[in-house]
Amino acid sequence: GAVVSQHPSWVICKSGTSVKIECRSLDFQATTMFWYRQFPKQSLMLMATSNEGSKATYEQGVEKDKFLINHASLTLSTLTVTSAHPEDSSFYICSARGGTSSPKSSYNEQFFGPGTRLTVL
Amino acid sequence: DAKTTQPPSMDCAEGRAANLPCNHSTISGNEYVYWYRQIHSQGPQYIIHGLKNNETNEMASLIITEDRKSSTLILPHATLRDTAVYYCIVRPNAGKSTFGDGTTLTVKP
Repeated sequence: GAVVSQHPSWVICKSGTSVKIECRSLDFQATTMFWYRQFPKQSLMLMATSNEGSKATYEQGVEKDKFLINHASLTLSTLTVTSAHPEDSSFYICSARGGTSSPKSSYNEQFFGPGTRLTVL
Repeated sequence: DAKTTQPPSMDCAEGRAANLPCNHSTISGNEYVYWYRQIHSQGPQYIIHGLKNNETNEMASLIITEDRKSSTLILPHATLRDTAVYYCIVRPNAGKSTFGDGTTLTVKP
């Protein structure tokens, strides 16, 4: 399957600072990327969907001004947690889906990154 | 997206087949059944998917009932490394994946 990477794999920051998480599709072009959040012992919760070159679509209850998503290229999406607070501490996971120009193995399939562990002190 | 129902947990003996059920009684005609698993503190891993025919790959087999209202993921020879949370998701081919609570499979020696 296709490979999706995330950077950093973990980050610790002080309350009030902003943190940027990168998500890259390494061997295919991702027309759509998804961002999920997972709290301990809970399932993944979809935060937003982003299409390359367009504004992200946020799920109900997710603050778009707090979680800034940029999908400027077909291989990179970033999630910036602005003014992070301890309650934002979570496991953030991105997922990328190939489009019609991608190999058949990635077309319309969702591939997940390894996740980023964010701890806000 | 259709809602799925899975048992919260299952045990399986190492080397035996693990059969994980999923109910999706409200599935629509254009929705596929996808299975992912998540090993602790990692991103979900794709296992298999299907529309209405049974499917098999190197990891697992997927059995979908004729009315498509339920399915079973089969790991033919479970190993300790198959211990994970298994998620059954139904969605259109180009839709977004919405995760339920999944089934925690524990493979025991």
